[in-house]
Order: sequence, then C-alpha cells, then structure tokens
Amino acid sequence: GQQVMQIPQYQHVQEGEDFTTYCNSSTTLSNIQWYKQRPGGHPVFLIQLVKSGEVKKQKRLTFQFGEAKKNSSLHITATQTTDVGTYFCAEGGSYIPTFGRGTSLIVHP
Amino acid sequence: DTAVSQTPKYLVTQMGNDKSIKCEQNLGHDTMYWYKQDSKKFLKIMFSYNNKELIINETVPNRFSPKSPDKAHLNLHINSLELGDSAVYFCASSIGQGANEKLFFGSGTQLSVL
Repeated sequence: GQQVMQIPQYQHVQEGEDFTTYCNSSTTLSNIQWYKQRPGGHPVFLIQLVKSGEVKKQKRLTFQFGEAKKNSSLHITATQTTDVGTYFCAEGGSYIPTFGRGTSLIVHP
Repeated sequence: DTAVSQTPKYLVTQMGNDKSIKCEQNLGHDTMYWYKQDSKKFLKIMFSYNNKELIINETVPNRFSPKSPDKAHLNLHINSLELGDSAVYFCASSIGQGANEKLFFGSGTQLSVL
C-alpha cells in the first residue's frame, strides 16, 4: 500500500476546543478511510472519502479530501471527553488498507 | 453477536513457546486480515486471505503461520515466540478485497512474551 503520513502524533486539548488531524501522501490516493480507536479498544470505521475535494460531516466531525487527492483531514468541533482515542487515516486503494500512524487525542475536562 | 471475534483476549507466555490466536467472523465476508499493533499504536498488516487463499504476506518472519480452514476463520500460529512479538494482534474482515473495502476489526489479542 501507499505510505500515508499523519500528524500530529498526539494532541492535548481542553474540552470544548477544536481538534484537527492531517493525513498526507506524496502520491495520489484512490480513497481515504478514517478509523477511531478508543483506549483499550479496536479500530472502528468512521468514513470513506473517494472524490476530489469531498467533504463529509458526522455531527461534530468534518472530513475533507484534498482537491489533488493527496491529503485529508478530520476536524472535530467542540471536543468532548467521549472523543478521546486515536484517529487513523488509511489508504484503501490497494489490496489492503494501509494505515497512518494515528493521532492520539487527549481531552482534558 | 460479535461480528469479528478473536480469542484469547490476553496471552502471556514465555520466550520460545508456540501459541495460537483464533479469529472468526460471522459477517459472511470473503476477506480476512491480521494486523499487528505495536506499543506506539502503529497498525501493520501481516497477512490477508481472500476466500481461504493467501493474498498478502508482508515481511513477516516465517515463525508466523496463518491458517484459514474456511472463509469465516483465520487463525494465527506463532512458533518460537520472541520478546519483540509482544504487541496487540487484530483480526479484521471485509466484504471483498481491493479498493473501497472497509475493515471490521476484532477486539484484539494482547500478547506479552516474557
């Protein structure tokens, strides 16, 4: 699979602040998937983006796919303690999804 | 009913031992995977099977041998365990293989090699 670089590795926020994680590739991606892993849990599929410039929303979560299909972002508005976990992007265009290293979100009440 | 179930959840063993992790999915999916997650949370693909046939075998030591008796099961056997094998191992499945397939993960097996 293609290499996807994800930043930041960790992010501490106060509850109510916004959070963004970024996923970048040096090559064009056919699609990008996002997963969330709660502490002690397993990755759970959130969404898939396929089209150039695509934006999708799930409540306070906004997912974007870049126009060149080389980057993606996940933005959480007004974080809550339930948002704690590690967010992974994954390049799903080859035989197997290849994961970024994840961004661990820590929300301080 | 758990869609992708793996056992055991925890496995503590001595170096040099042989152990197995079992995985079953009841989703009717054709493709199953094993991923290894290290202490820094990096999820690395190990194997992928489609309809009982090996599709992907990343650079994994041959001490690791997957076995798929049918498309609903993908077990992982590890010989001569080493300290560096300590990690969380996730089984996953998807409807098929290729682009646009979303993964359903099992709850993981935490392997600790002492």
